[in-house]
Amino acid sequence: QVTLKESGPALVKPTQTLTLTCTFSGFSLSTSGMRASWIRQPPGKALEWLARIDWDDDKFYNTSLKTRLTISKDTSKNQVVLTMTNMDPVDTATYYCARSTSNVMDVWGQGTTVTVSS
Amino acid sequence: DIQMTQSPSSLSASVGDRVTITCRASQSIGSYLNWYQQKPGKAPKLLIYAASSLQSGVPSRFSGSGSGTDFTLTISSLQPEDFATYHCQQSYSARVTFGPGTKVDIK
Repeated sequence: QVTLKESGPALVKPTQTLTLTCTFSGFSLSTSGMRASWIRQPPGKALEWLARIDWDDDKFYNTSLKTRLTISKDTSKNQVVLTMTNMDPVDTATYYCARSTSNVMDVWGQGTTVTVSS
Repeated sequence: DIQMTQSPSSLSASVGDRVTITCRASQSIGSYLNWYQQKPGKAPKLLIYAASSLQSGVPSRFSGSGSGTDFTLTISSLQPEDFATYHCQQSYSARVTFGPGTKVDIK
């Protein structure tokens, strides 16, 4: 059974750096073709893809946010980490991680809500 | 980046109705189109991938069609558990993008 779970701070201050961890089980990110993505959803708004990391350590970022994002993986711990710098209130959202193969996100975590406020 | 649009943005329907949601891409994406269902407070769930392939465990009343720039999600007979928001997503580009969503609520 494939599961993913996001963790991180519920509240961050403006200008701070957000670090989110996705801990997963049931698959390995060292298996050819496996990928993991981060997606966010502000309250009442659309889903927005943020970043992806592949089994071979290829990384892809949202064009508009790429200067603020870093994605990494720890295969031994079955974790994917996303950092987002210079947080702003508009970054308030639920952040999801998802497993993907061929860019199809077939299993999602439950999401973690992040509020940016002073 | 490839832009995705959906219509309508919301619709009201009754149990048993046939429901159709449209998704359009800003450029041709072949069949690299996926549909997700999201209920309030929950993560999205994959329904359809590659435009028309039903994800395992998804009821057969859901179907998808289309290619190129225009795609459709159809629910043949709406059930109470189908009231949700539906999102399309293109997987043609490494930088995937989602549509704005279509909310289906009870008439």
